[in-house]
Amino acid sequence: SQTIHQWPATLVQPVGSPLSLECTVEGTSNPNLYWYRQAAGRGLQLLFYSVGIGQISSEVPQNLSASRPQDRQFILSSKKLLLSDSGFYLCAWGKGETNEKLFFGSGTQLSVL
Amino acid sequence: SQQGEEDPQALSIQEGENATMNCSYKTSINNLQWYRQNSGRGLVHLILIRSNEREKHSGRLRVTLDTSKKSSSLLITASRAADTASYFCATDGSHAGGTSYGKLTFGQGTILTVHP
Repeated sequence: SQTIHQWPATLVQPVGSPLSLECTVEGTSNPNLYWYRQAAGRGLQLLFYSVGIGQISSEVPQNLSASRPQDRQFILSSKKLLLSDSGFYLCAWGKGETNEKLFFGSGTQLSVL
Repeated sequence: SQQGEEDPQALSIQEGENATMNCSYKTSINNLQWYRQNSGRGLVHLILIRSNEREKHSGRLRVTLDTSKKSSSLLITASRAADTASYFCATDGSHAGGTSYGKLTFGQGTILTVHP
């Protein structure tokens, strides 16, 4: 069966510090991978998606970047965090050109202070 | 553009009652999906309805889709305290028949509280 792992669960970082969130998927190959951000009490905003190794599409201009060094690994990074980067970050995977279901990780609550 | 706007924003009911949540969207879709999120957790897929379907059932869930009104509703029958969660609708990002690569656009969600 497929599983998705996302860590850490919570993170408190000072403004200006770097960020690295990691997500890995097991039990499937060539998944589509996604990073979403959720502000408190709000819906999800798609940040990045990837349909293959090294292929990253950005949905919104921002202080963040993403990389996919391996087929089932997706990393969200920042060189210098801003206060506005605080939020709940969710990794998800799906299959095919028209996903009919996304599977989400358990999320990382990032607080930038 | 904003897709998948749910209403109400919050819904409070007693156990055993039915809960209805609505979702409106703006552009053509291939399918519409509903997800559930327990507080501080990831989202879990509940049900998908395709653009050529009008109604779908799964257990205590009933979803309707009206493409002429660009709206959908999720009905949870005989609610339980364990149904307490946030519920989101999500639409794919492509026009009908296109390739979306699963770029779902989520609404703001409905917070459902079921009192025992």
